[in-house]
Amino acid sequence: NAGVTQTPKFRILKIGQSMTLQCAQDMNHNYMYWYRQDPGMGLKLIYYSVGAGITDKGEVPNGYNVSRSTTEDFPLRLELAAPSQTSVYFCASSYALAGGGETQYFGPGTRLLVL
Amino acid sequence: EDQVTQSPEALRLQEGESSSLNCSYTVSGLRGLFWYRQDPGKGPEFLFTLYSAGEEKEKERLKATLTKKESFLHITAPKPEDSATYLCAVQASGGSYIPTFGRGTSLIVHP
Repeated sequence: NAGVTQTPKFRILKIGQSMTLQCAQDMNHNYMYWYRQDPGMGLKLIYYSVGAGITDKGEVPNGYNVSRSTTEDFPLRLELAAPSQTSVYFCASSYALAGGGETQYFGPGTRLLVL
Repeated sequence: EDQVTQSPEALRLQEGESSSLNCSYTVSGLRGLFWYRQDPGKGPEFLFTLYSAGEEKEKERLKATLTKKESFLHITAPKPEDSATYLCAVQASGGSYIPTFGRGTSLIVHP
């Protein structure tokens, strides 16, 4: 199992450009998440998905969009990049159980710099 | 609103000097409390899940405990390789089940 994979590892964008951060998991997890992590600020949830075709906003969704057409893939789209979107982005997945306690598995992250 | 507060923000220890990290939480019914370890430049890695007050779990030099208001991550005789940021997250029993993360404790263990 590759687990959760993310591409690219690092990207520099100019203000106003757009890009898609890719995320894939091979564990057949139903839940997937996108977080951003700024220094000293912990993980902020951007969007999440509870299954293919279902997505919902997290704490900081503005400036981002997602789609979930398959169980495996959960791309994050940045439209009109702004310096405030400079951050490290983590994708995660989990398998929701009725009893609770779903462990999240994280990808290696994408470091994004907007200049 | 679910809240998670971790303390201290940063901790420096000498090798072998035991200590504890704290995670205080406010949630309307706990479904699970998670501890993760994050190394620089990497994604968080799962350590423990705790479900109910009084529960304890151990892994090598780490032991996690849980009360109704807080969790502790005890580090016994730490080694330099234990240096990392430790994240705590709580999952409420109602709503979307999406975990809420604390800001983490950065631990440095000096040889």
